[in-house]
Amino acid sequence: KAGVTQTPRYLIKTRGQQVTLSCSPISGHRSVSWYQQTPGQGLQFLFEYFSETQRNKGNFPGRFSGRQFSNSRSEMNVSTLELGDSALYLCASSGTSGNTGELFFGEGSRLTVL
Amino acid sequence: AQSVTQPDIHITVSEGASLELRCNYSYGATPYLFWYVQSPGQGLQLLLKYFSGDTLVQGIKGFEAEFKRSQSSFNLRKPSVHWSDAAEYFCAVGAYDMRFGAGTRLTVKP
Repeated sequence: KAGVTQTPRYLIKTRGQQVTLSCSPISGHRSVSWYQQTPGQGLQFLFEYFSETQRNKGNFPGRFSGRQFSNSRSEMNVSTLELGDSALYLCASSGTSGNTGELFFGEGSRLTVL
Repeated sequence: AQSVTQPDIHITVSEGASLELRCNYSYGATPYLFWYVQSPGQGLQLLLKYFSGDTLVQGIKGFEAEFKRSQSSFNLRKPSVHWSDAAEYFCAVGAYDMRFGAGTRLTVKP
């Protein structure tokens, strides 16, 4: 069974640009979560989608948005990039609709904002 | 609000020595608790999880963790550390919006 796939793995942008990151969950998984990982703030929850609906959202500005498609693939978008958005963005999928689903993580997309 | 505290930022142990990584949580109800490990350049891998039942949980790679409700703790243990265990370890609590601790970086001395 293929794992969680994130693309691109690495990217460099400049301030003010926007970026879209993609995540393909494990086949059959319907829940996709996104996390931002930085040395200073650690792992912070961005949002979680289940069956194309955002179920939960972390404390991030509106520049951070996401969506999920009918095939469970998910994208997140960051507009008007700031230097502080440089981070590893991790996507995780879960196979359950209940509260006990363990997360399966991708290897992440490393974003550098110059 | 749910939160996780990992008091130790960095721990160094000798290969073959025992290991205990601390985790304290804050959660309004019965917590769903997890330990993940992250090697450099990699995503996170689940070591073990606790939902209910037996408070001593066995995981992969010889790790175990004990849930202590009275202490709001979920410490991770391993009786004998291997050099390949060097990584960053994260404790997490929650479900739809899982919250992670700041992580503990483990260094293993030969």
